[in-house]
Amino acid sequence: NAGVTQTPKFRILKIGQSMTLQCTQDMNHNYMYWYRQDPGMGLKLIYYSVGAGITDKGEVPNGYNVSRSTTEDFPLRLELAAPSQTSVYFCATKGPGPQETQYFGPGTRLLVL
Amino acid sequence: DQQVKQNSPSLSVQEGRISILNCDYTNSMFDYFLWYKKYPAEGPTFLISISSIKDKNEDGRFTVFLNKSAKHLSLHIVPSQPGDSAVYFCAAATAGNNRKLIWGLGTSLAVNP
Repeated sequence: NAGVTQTPKFRILKIGQSMTLQCTQDMNHNYMYWYRQDPGMGLKLIYYSVGAGITDKGEVPNGYNVSRSTTEDFPLRLELAAPSQTSVYFCATKGPGPQETQYFGPGTRLLVL
Repeated sequence: DQQVKQNSPSLSVQEGRISILNCDYTNSMFDYFLWYKKYPAEGPTFLISISSIKDKNEDGRFTVFLNKSAKHLSLHIVPSQPGDSAVYFCAAATAGNNRKLIWGLGTSLAVNP
């Protein structure tokens, strides 16, 4: 099992460009999350999904969009990249039950210039 | 307002000694707490957790203590090993449906041989 995979690993964008960060999981988990981590900071929740077709905003959703058409995939879309979106982006999943353990992908480092 | 606080940005200990990482929280509605470990260029990985109905949870060299009255938890690593050198994040789960994790800023632990 690959767990949670993210592509690309690293990307440089120009201001105003758009891109999609891909996240795929093979754990059959319903819950999926997108976080960003700025240098020296904790993780901030951007969007999350409780299952296919259902998404909701987290703490810092502005400038991003998501979709969840399948259990496996949860792409994050940046429409008009801004320097403030320079960050490391992590995708995570959570399985059923009372445990709140989340499983993370390796991250995508994004630089907006 | 930081609801989960890790007031020590860094900690350095000798191999074989005890490492104690601290975390304070302000929201009394948090009912589940987790510690994650993060190596550079990787996603966070789950380490250990504790429910608010317990005051201690142990897993091998790792023990988490919870003091609800003080809104404080700590992670003890005994004995510390060089491979434990990483950033440790404390996270707390919000109560209710679609629970989300609120993260601290992390503590960078260096275990010296």
